Amino acid sequence: QQQVKQSPQSLIVQKGGISIINCAYENTAFDYFPWYQQFPGKGPALLIAIRPDVSEKKEGRFTISFNKSAKQFSLHIMDSQPGDSATYFCAASNRGSTLGRLYFGRGTQLTVWP
Amino acid sequence: EAQVTQNPRYLITVTGKKLTVTCSQNMNHEYMSWYRQDPGLGLRQIYYSMNVEVTDKGDVPEGYKVSRKEKRNFPLILESPSPNQTSLYFCASSFRDRGNTGELFFGEGSRLTVL
Repeated sequence: QQQVKQSPQSLIVQKGGISIINCAYENTAFDYFPWYQQFPGKGPALLIAIRPDVSEKKEGRFTISFNKSAKQFSLHIMDSQPGDSATYFCAASNRGSTLGRLYFGRGTQLTVWP
Repeated sequence: EAQVTQNPRYLITVTGKKLTVTCSQNMNHEYMSWYRQDPGLGLRQIYYSMNVEVTDKGDVPEGYKVSRKEKRNFPLILESPSPNQTSLYFCASSFRDRGNTGELFFGEGSRLTVL
């Protein structure tokens, strides 16, 4: 059973546009939601993370929006650049009962055209 | 340089031939974990370890073994590899608290092909 559902599977955006990736979860015990960025041939790297007591977190051009009631969260990349072309994974964890478990979405391959 | 090092990076082997993928981190992290990445399936957790001599199963532990005898090392063992274990494997580590919140440092991956 997929704990975190991510969409779209692939995304093509023009340079300067906004990239939006969505994730949804069912388990209300999840209390931490990181996003990872992966370039070809590399391991994933933490991009930005959010806790459910915050509705939005921004770091540069990257923003996470969190909707606790809908059990959804999304990544917005403003002014998308060709260097943002990568695979993005959302994830969720529960710091309580499932110590050490981290559940990933299936990933979104983003291509930004110059 | 802080890093998670995996070896080998690439390996082609045959069904049934035991192999070990090593993972070592130099950041004194308590938490270590193994993931496999398959097209369309994302990253799935195989095993994880919260500290030395403490290991637990993730989502897809079948066919794999791990051990954590030292803090810095967390090898992944495939006793009798099968073609369905052909995949890209990642080792990750973190301080214990960060491991539980998902802030991990990943290695560069080990691409395994089982014929």
